[in-house]
Amino acid sequence: QKEVEQNSGPLSVPEGAIASLNCTYSDRGSQSFFWYRQYSGKSPELIMSIYSNGDKEDGRFTAQLNKASQYVSLLIRDSQPSDSATYLCAVDTGRRALTFGSGTRLQVQP
Amino acid sequence: GAVVSQHPSWVICKSGTSVKIECRSLDFQATTMFWYRQFPKQSLMLMATSNEGSKATYEQGVEKDKFLINHASLTLSTLTVTSAHPEDSSFYICSEGSNTEAFFGQGTRLTVV
Repeated sequence: QKEVEQNSGPLSVPEGAIASLNCTYSDRGSQSFFWYRQYSGKSPELIMSIYSNGDKEDGRFTAQLNKASQYVSLLIRDSQPSDSATYLCAVDTGRRALTFGSGTRLQVQP
Repeated sequence: GAVVSQHPSWVICKSGTSVKIECRSLDFQATTMFWYRQFPKQSLMLMATSNEGSKATYEQGVEKDKFLINHASLTLSTLTVTSAHPEDSSFYICSEGSNTEAFFGQGTRLTVV
């Protein structure tokens, strides 16, 4: 079993719709969870971090964490073509180095 | 957020040669930096943890004699790919490890021909 699992996609949504990205992790002791956006050929860019159960909102982005279910999600409201990228879920299992999922490719159709 | 500068952004080298990649923290002192590798259409995989003033810690399966890491100062960590082969062609990315939220360098695209 992979430590951090994501659906590879592509996830295709029309412009203006809500994109929902999901991630599960295996280490119950994980404390910190992150969503990164990566454009092709570029380095990952931090979108959201979340540390406690519940929702965390930042602009068009909402991260959701459920530690009991070992589940993290990212919602992107009013999706724009510029949101088209690969979204990486990352977990800090206590080492400070991050364990990444394989990423979900999001395509926002104009 | 922390600023991490990585250089070069891309490099092409001949098989058998060595390549050095630099990672600098520009606005803070980093006692720990992480080196990741990303093959095409795959995720980032941790290669090693670079510790200032001491030996790096390598992940299982990463050859420490092939991927030399030096962290001689609090602002600079270097990764040297020695005797590079085409299978070492990848995207190498560093990040600082002093904060909970990791910030990454720009990455180095290495192509070995």
